[in-house]
Amino acid sequence: EPEVTQTPSHQVTQMGQEVILRCVPISNHLYFYWYRQILGQKVEFLVSFYNNEISEKSEIFDDQFSVERPDGSNFTLKIRSTKLEDSAMYFCASSEAWEAGVSPYNEQFFGPGTRLTVL
Amino acid sequence: GQQVMQIPQYQHVQEGEDFTTYCNSSTTLSNIQWYKQRPGGHPVFLIQLVKSGEVKKQKRLTFQFGEAKKNSSLHITATQTTDVGTYFCAGLTSGTYKYIFGTGTRLKVLA
Repeated sequence: EPEVTQTPSHQVTQMGQEVILRCVPISNHLYFYWYRQILGQKVEFLVSFYNNEISEKSEIFDDQFSVERPDGSNFTLKIRSTKLEDSAMYFCASSEAWEAGVSPYNEQFFGPGTRLTVL
Repeated sequence: GQQVMQIPQYQHVQEGEDFTTYCNSSTTLSNIQWYKQRPGGHPVFLIQLVKSGEVKKQKRLTFQFGEAKKNSSLHITATQTTDVGTYFCAGLTSGTYKYIFGTGTRLKVLA
């Protein structure tokens, strides 16, 4: 069964350093997302991405964050200058379609996550 | 901004008892999805509801979407230890491109 993969599984970095989190979405999916989850809390939306453009971003997704689809398979999240409060689990997700009214195939498939620890 | 709340935050039940989690949105939703996250795992899609008043069943799980499309519920009949995890609803508001996850309900099932 196809799955979303993410690397690395755990990233430890010093405050102020740049990190790049990598994701390989399911191959025929067109919509991509990043979420984060602080330990024990809810899943928070960061950004959605379609057709090489950001569709929507949350208030969390400030100028320190960027996303890119550098080739046909990878989808990356970059944090330019990490802060202590960026420590969280970051999940990548992908879906074949967007909205239920358009297609039933809009369930989001989540990757296993990257645990980011900022020291 | 849009908020999606779930109650209860935690629920401990004896195996075999029923369980219900409720999801309430501050805005009208175009559709709602439900996810299960096992401890240490990632969210896994369970189901999607689209129509006002819709009810869907998956074995022991029953999902309902409110008439006003602002609330939803998940009911598990005769819980099993495999039902342990956190259940999240995620709502989409029409015209937006973000699913807002609810606060989650953590279920523990005591054998």
